[in-house]
Amino acid sequence: ETGVTQTPRHLVMGMTNKKSLKCEQHLGHNAMYWYKQSAKKPLELMFVYSLEERVENNSVPSRFSPECPNSSHLFLHLHTLQPEDSALYLCASSQQSWGNQPQHFGDGTRLSIL
Amino acid sequence: DAKTTQPTSMDCAEGRAANLPCNHSTISGNEYVYWYRQIHSQGPQYIIHGLKNNETNEMASLIITEDRKSSTLILPHATLRDTAVYYCIVGYKLSFGAGTTVTVRA
Repeated sequence: ETGVTQTPRHLVMGMTNKKSLKCEQHLGHNAMYWYKQSAKKPLELMFVYSLEERVENNSVPSRFSPECPNSSHLFLHLHTLQPEDSALYLCASSQQSWGNQPQHFGDGTRLSIL
Repeated sequence: DAKTTQPTSMDCAEGRAANLPCNHSTISGNEYVYWYRQIHSQGPQYIIHGLKNNETNEMASLIITEDRKSSTLILPHATLRDTAVYYCIVGYKLSFGAGTTVTVRA
C-alpha cells in the first residue's frame, strides 16, 4: 500500500469514447504527476501539478486533459485516443514538485485502445 | 540531470545479499541518488535515497562512494519477492532508464 490509489486498474475503450482515469493520494503531498509507460519503454512524464496548478506539460497531445481539483485528487480525461496510446498510466505524488523527497506511485491503470 | 549506468541483469540466490551497482559519474553536488523497483504489472516502488552519506531503511542499504560517482544498493537477504527491475536515478526529475532486472532464485 503506497498511499496512492488509481482507478480503474484496467480500461478498454474505443477510439471515439471519452473516459477518465482517477488518482487519489492519502499522503498529504502537494505535488502530483502523470506518467505513461508503454511496453518495453521507460516511463515518460506527462504532467506535473503543484498545489493544484499545472507546472509542467511535457508536450502531451490535447486528447489527454488533466485536472487537479485539490491536492489529493488528480484526473486524466481521455478522448479520441489512438491505438498507440495503449499503455500503463501511472500517477505519483511527492511532498513538493521536483523537491528532494521521493515520489510515491500508484499501481497504474492499464489502458487498451481498440 | 545526471545519467546513470546499471548492469542489464543479475541473478542472486534467495537468502543471500544482493548488491546492485550504479555509476553516475556526472552527478552534480546537490543531486540525490534514488532507487526504485518495479515488479511486473505494478507501479514503481520507492526504496531509498541519499545525497552523500550511506543510508539504511527497512528495505535496503545505500552505499555512496566518497566522490559520489557511483553507488550500490544492498538488499540484505533477498527473497523471491524481490525479483523486479531496479532503477537507479539521479536528480529530482525522475528519468527512468532500463534499470537492472534482478532475478532471485531459490
